[in-house]
Amino acid sequence: AQSVTQLGSHVSVSEGALVLLRCNYSSSVPPYLFWYVQYPNQGLQLLLKYTSAATLVKGINGFEAEFKKSETSFHLTKPSAHMSDAAEYFCAVSDLSGSARQLTFGSGTQLTVLP
Amino acid sequence: EAQVTQNPRYLITVTGKKLTVTCSQNMNHEYMSWYRQDPGLGLRQIYYSMNVEVTDKGDVPEGYKVSRKEKRNFPLILESPSPNQTSLYFCASSLGGKSTDTQYFGPGTRLTVL
Repeated sequence: AQSVTQLGSHVSVSEGALVLLRCNYSSSVPPYLFWYVQYPNQGLQLLLKYTSAATLVKGINGFEAEFKKSETSFHLTKPSAHMSDAAEYFCAVSDLSGSARQLTFGSGTQLTVLP
Repeated sequence: EAQVTQNPRYLITVTGKKLTVTCSQNMNHEYMSWYRQDPGLGLRQIYYSMNVEVTDKGDVPEGYKVSRKEKRNFPLILESPSPNQTSLYFCASSLGGKSTDTQYFGPGTRLTVL
């Protein structure tokens, strides 16, 4: 069974600084990988997804993530944080069956952006 | 506007009093599911439905029921709520049942069972 680990339940960065949120997966084969964002009092929204095409995936709001098979990682980055990026971020993994039923979420990382 | 709606958004109830949380989507999606979100545990799937009259258990189905009589609606039923079901609940839908289909989430229902 696949699983996903998000390192750091809370991350704080200054406005304008690099954002790096870490995600490592465990799967017997390279899976599909996703990042979702949850703004306060809202549901989750898809940021980006990796489905075995390009290893560097660009998403909305200037975020991107790189799939690294050798490191079993899919870290989320953004060059310059904005106050509006403050939210909770979830990494998720699905196996190659590709069924939405098999989507497994990480425990989340709360991002705080300091002025 | 394409959206998933949930009602109520907030609910405080007592142990054993049956309740229903409604979920509706206006995107003609085939796949719908329910998740609960608890601190430090991320989202865990309760039930899912691949289409009308087709439902199945997710990872944490105990204490919950669902039905899918119409494509747009997927209510979550707690027949006899208990305090351990206090949580934040999300309904989600996607076009089909593939993980690569974008899932659209409702705004959430915060349930407290006393």
